Amino acid sequence: SQTIHQWPATLVQPVGSPLSLECTVEGTSNPNLYWYRQAAGRGLQLLFYSVGIGQISSEVPQNLSASRPQDRQFILSSKKLLLSDSGFYLCAWSPPGPNYNEQFFGPGTRLTVL
Amino acid sequence: AQSVSQHNHHVILSEAASLELGCNYSYGGTVNLFWYVQYPGQHLQLLLKYFSGDPLVKGIKGFEAEFIKSKFSFNLRKPSVQWSDTAEYFCALNTNAGKSTFGDGTTLTVKP
Repeated sequence: SQTIHQWPATLVQPVGSPLSLECTVEGTSNPNLYWYRQAAGRGLQLLFYSVGIGQISSEVPQNLSASRPQDRQFILSSKKLLLSDSGFYLCAWSPPGPNYNEQFFGPGTRLTVL
Repeated sequence: AQSVSQHNHHVILSEAASLELGCNYSYGGTVNLFWYVQYPGQHLQLLLKYFSGDPLVKGIKGFEAEFIKSKFSFNLRKPSVQWSDTAEYFCALNTNAGKSTFGDGTTLTVKP
């Protein structure tokens, strides 16, 4: 069966520090991968999605970037965090192919920037 | 541009009451529609989905949703809610343009 892991679960970082959040998927090949930010009362905002290694689509201009160095690894990064980067970050995957399918979500990372 | 609108931000019901959560979308082409649920302390998970065929779809735990194309709606219903249905509910849209869009979510509180 497929599983998705995210770490860390919680993170407190000072403004201006770098960020690296990691997401890995097991039990599937060539999944579509997604990073979302969930804000209270504002739903899920799609940040990045990837249909393959090295293929990243960015949905909104922001202080963050994403990379997919391996088939089942998706990394969310920032060189210098802003206060506004605080939030709950979710990674998700869906089966390969057209983006028609349901998505499976990880446990999320709670990021607090101070 | 595609969008999803959930009209109710917070719904409070007593056990055994009927539930209907509204979801409207905006997109001119073919869509796949989903309802996800996030129970307290748990992962976001799929409740039900519509791809094609019968516009009335049934999901887990007695939930159902009806796709009305003319109204661009995909409302979620349950005839009798339970305390364990307390959760946050998200309507979502996938299109053949390769994008996923979620609504802002509806928090359901069921009083025992």
